[in-house]
Amino acid sequence: KAGVTQTPRYLIKTRGQQVTLSCSPISGHRSVSWYQQTPGQGLQFLFEYFSETQRNKGNFPGRFSGRQFSNSRSEMNVSTLELGDSALYLCASSLGGRVADTQYFGPGTRLTVL
Amino acid sequence: DQQVKQNSPSLSVQEGRISILNCDYTNSMFDYFLWYKKYPAEGPTFLISISSIKDKNEDGRFTVFLNKSAKHLSLHIVPSQPGDSAVYFCAASAEGGGADGLTFGKGTHLIIQP
Repeated sequence: KAGVTQTPRYLIKTRGQQVTLSCSPISGHRSVSWYQQTPGQGLQFLFEYFSETQRNKGNFPGRFSGRQFSNSRSEMNVSTLELGDSALYLCASSLGGRVADTQYFGPGTRLTVL
Repeated sequence: DQQVKQNSPSLSVQEGRISILNCDYTNSMFDYFLWYKKYPAEGPTFLISISSIKDKNEDGRFTVFLNKSAKHLSLHIVPSQPGDSAVYFCAASAEGGGADGLTFGKGTHLIIQP
């Protein structure tokens, strides 16, 4: 089975711009979660989508949003980028029945905001 | 407020010896715990998990111990191998009622020396 894929792998944007990141889960997985990893804060949960609905949300401002399509693929959008949004954005998929289902991570998208 | 803490940013162990990575948590609602391993430029890879109804779970060279009263868990790797050199993340979830996805510690960089 193919693993979780994320595109693009690297991205450079400037302050004030917006960005869309994409995640394709493992086939058959219905849950997609997004995390932000920074050196200072570690891995922090952004949100989780299951069957096209946001099921859980972390403590991030409304500039961070996402959606999930009927094929379980997910996109994450960050509007009005700030320097502090520079981070590795990781997507993880799981079967989706429960929070404790094993999550499988993609390689991440490295976003740099200048 | 950091709910999952890995107090050792790095740990150096000789090849063939036991590696012990520690993790403490503060949220008594956490009832499921996981360890992930991360190589540079890759997403975290699931290693092993444990439910709060158990105090030990073993998978090959990896064993996780949970001490609920102390809110402490540890990962033992025996024997340690060079390929084990990576950053190890402890994660927790509150399956029963939590809506915050996985809460991660900041990681411990394990270095296996020949």
